[in-house]
Amino acid sequence: DQQVKQNSPSLSVQEGRISILNCDYTNSMFDYFLWYKKYPAEGPTFLISISSIKDKNEDGRFTVFLNKSAKHLSLHIVPSQPGDSAVYFCAASPLTQGAQKLVFGQGTRLTINP
Amino acid sequence: KAGVTQTPRYLIKTRGQQVTLSCSPISGHRSVSWYQQTPGQGLQFLFEYFSETQRNKGNFPGRFSGRQFSNSRSEMNVSTLELGDSALYLCASSRQGSDTQYFGPGTRLTVL
Repeated sequence: DQQVKQNSPSLSVQEGRISILNCDYTNSMFDYFLWYKKYPAEGPTFLISISSIKDKNEDGRFTVFLNKSAKHLSLHIVPSQPGDSAVYFCAASPLTQGAQKLVFGQGTRLTINP
Repeated sequence: KAGVTQTPRYLIKTRGQQVTLSCSPISGHRSVSWYQQTPGQGLQFLFEYFSETQRNKGNFPGRFSGRQFSNSRSEMNVSTLELGDSALYLCASSRQGSDTQYFGPGTRLTVL
């Protein structure tokens, strides 16, 4: 049972345009959500996060939107740059006291075309 | 500030052997978590340590174990290796009170 789903295994976007990566979750106990970017043979790099008490968080070119009623979050990258080409993972953290456990989606490979 | 470091970066073992992987968290971070990444299963949580105690555990067999030292460094051990244990093993650290985890580069384990 996959609690965090990224239904698009890949996405191709033209440089300068907006990239939108989507993520759905099923567990209503998740209260904190994160996006990571990963290059081959490297560990995931933290990009941006959002708490369940918010519906939007912005950091430079990256914005994460959370729709709790739909159990859906999305990452917007604008404008997209060639260096953004990587695999993007969304992750969710359950509502636990003092324990760290991230549940990851399967990832979306983003390719930015010049 | 130095990031999370993991050693070794690459490892080749044969079935039945055991392996120990090491992780040094970011200075000041006391929580260390371990994840396994495989093409089929994606990133899966193994376990988490805080103040030398295992606080949370994923759904992995008892062959997978870990520990944390007083300086927050952590080791992960896999005994009786199987072919399916071939994966990228990632370590992540976080500071107390934060849900954001920062990952190391990983150890690529190949079991032959």
